[in-house]
Amino acid sequence: AQRVTQPEKLLSVFKGAPVELKCNYSYSGSPELFWYVQYSRQRLQLLLRHISRESIKGFTADLNKGETSFHLKKPFAQEEDSAMYYCALSGGGGGADGLTFGKGTHLIIQP
Amino acid sequence: KAGVTQTPRYLIKTRGQQVTLSCSPISGHRSVSWYQQTPGQGLQFLFEYFSETQRNKGNFPGRFSGRQFSNSRSEMNVSTLELGDSALYLCASSLNYRGLGDEQYFGPGTRLTVT
Repeated sequence: AQRVTQPEKLLSVFKGAPVELKCNYSYSGSPELFWYVQYSRQRLQLLLRHISRESIKGFTADLNKGETSFHLKKPFAQEEDSAMYYCALSGGGGGADGLTFGKGTHLIIQP
Repeated sequence: KAGVTQTPRYLIKTRGQQVTLSCSPISGHRSVSWYQQTPGQGLQFLFEYFSETQRNKGNFPGRFSGRQFSNSRSEMNVSTLELGDSALYLCASSLNYRGLGDEQYFGPGTRLTVT
């Protein structure tokens, strides 16, 4: 069974400080990993995915298969980064196992 | 382009009743997935429809069912409602079958309260 763990329910950092949101996964095959974000009163939206290897809004995430992790990082936090962040995994084989989400981390950026 | 729409936005039902929720995907999108979000369990995958066929199903009882129409609109039905079915139900659409890696776009959700 596939599983995604986000160990921090709440993460509070000061503006300008580095941010790292942790995500660990359990999956026997080759997963596809995503980060979704939900800003206050907005819809859940895709932030980035590991296969695209992009930097979105200054965020990056690297898939570490050895440590089964996909941590989200940003060198300098901004107040507009405050939101709920969800790590998600899609199993291989056409995604037949569905999209599995972590419980989410509430990121608060203090001024 | 209009986003994913879900109706109704809020719903209150009584235990034992059934409910039907509706989702209209982004124009041109052919895949619709449904998720249940609760404070305790978080976001859980219910099922995915593509070309009017259920392609994947999460670990939910048979009381949860769905369908997709030829215009890609989708409905999900929950029969014999239980208090634990109270949740936010999210719909997401993608251009093609999600398993191919297409990005999903989420709707605002339907808040179901079972009393």
